Amino acid sequence: EAQVTQNPRYLITVTGKKLTVTCSQNMNHEYMSWYRQDPGLGLRQIYYSMNVEVTDKGDVPEGYKVSRKEKRNFPLILESPSPNQTSLYFCASSTDRGRNNEQFFGPGTRLTVL
Amino acid sequence: AQSVAQPEDQVNVAEGNPLTVKCTYSVSGNPYLFWYVQYPNRGLQFLLKYITGDNLVKGSYGFEAEFNKSQTSFHLKKPSALVSDSALYFCAVRDTNAGKSTFGDGTTLTVKP
Repeated sequence: EAQVTQNPRYLITVTGKKLTVTCSQNMNHEYMSWYRQDPGLGLRQIYYSMNVEVTDKGDVPEGYKVSRKEKRNFPLILESPSPNQTSLYFCASSTDRGRNNEQFFGPGTRLTVL
Repeated sequence: AQSVAQPEDQVNVAEGNPLTVKCTYSVSGNPYLFWYVQYPNRGLQFLLKYITGDNLVKGSYGFEAEFNKSQTSFHLKKPSALVSDSALYFCAVRDTNAGKSTFGDGTTLTVKP
């Protein structure tokens, strides 16, 4: 089944404790992206990747890191999480470098930083 | 910079009535426009897109959207709403030359029996 998977689905952590949220897709998509969803703010793009070893900042990259060493994986790293990073996070992927094709979204990761 | 506005936080319609969820956008070049739907506790699902060509785009579940370049709008429509259409709807725009995506704040559609 074609899908985007994220792990973990739920995470409660404490301020300053490094964490990684994994994202993997099995559709051989070039484009991958991370978003956060907050009430009243919609979806905001954190980082995106047009292909392996190519990443770029979205609208809210502060406090986050990403890497794209393999085509299928695009982990999101929070080196020192803070309470304002409590949010619902979505990973997405798309073909054709994402220009005019729709994105496929993962199920989401709900992160709480205490 | 590109932007998307969904002016209504909530849209309420009765089952069987037509529905419209509004979206306006701003981009520097030609827009690629998308509508996504999010059901409770789920990820977003693609509904339809406008890339080029016919201004009326048809998508999944009987939804359609009309692209209006002069008004920079891309409103989502359905002739006859179903209770099962109740969900959160997002409009999005893509930069044609880069990978940046911008989403609206979302509109909650409630269809009452």
